[in-house]
Amino acid sequence: GAVVSQHPSWVICKSGTSVKIECRSLDFQATTMFWYRQFPKQSLMLMATSNEGSKATYEQGVEKDKFLINHASLTLSTLTVTSAHPEDSSFYICSASRLAGSSYEQYFGPGTRLTVT
Amino acid sequence: GENVEQHPSTLSVQEGDSAVIKCTYSDSASNYFPWYKQELGKRPQLIIDIRSNVGEKKDQRIAVTLNKTAKHFSLHITETQPEDSAVYFCAASMKGAQKLVFGQGTRLTINP
Repeated sequence: GAVVSQHPSWVICKSGTSVKIECRSLDFQATTMFWYRQFPKQSLMLMATSNEGSKATYEQGVEKDKFLINHASLTLSTLTVTSAHPEDSSFYICSASRLAGSSYEQYFGPGTRLTVT
Repeated sequence: GENVEQHPSTLSVQEGDSAVIKCTYSDSASNYFPWYKQELGKRPQLIIDIRSNVGEKKDQRIAVTLNKTAKHFSLHITETQPEDSAVYFCAASMKGAQKLVFGQGTRLTINP
């Protein structure tokens, strides 16, 4: 159990266009999902917390108008990179949170590699 | 807020030897400490976790120890194999919180 999918696995887009990435929890419901960005050989940088039915909570320094998050159901969260620029090229990974006892376990999607040309 | 420091950043061991990765955390309210393994280009995989009500947990060749007083926890891998080569991340979260704070990662290389 605890499978998280992410789509697409990779995408190439032109500068100025928008890209939508989907994150799904396949075998459990997740009221909370997270979006991370990972640069080569670096740790996971939390961008935002996606809450089902409410607005996302963004980390300091992350532009909410640029990285639009929607969590419309208990199994789906989407991240839209608007007006993408080459500096937005990165590996984006989502995770879904599942309650286990008194703590929450996070399970990650396979990631989406975005290249903006 | 919580801060997690992880050491070393790189670790190279001979196949069959043991590997130890250490993390420290700053917030004494943290009570959940997972470890993730990430192979190149792939997703982080939860490999073991420990909660603050226990001091040690073992799963075959991997074990995690927790010292709440000193606010540090460690990952131990015994009888290392080439497939253990990956980047390992520690993390911490507070009771009831879903957000994880990650360490900087350790690149482990197992030399045959």
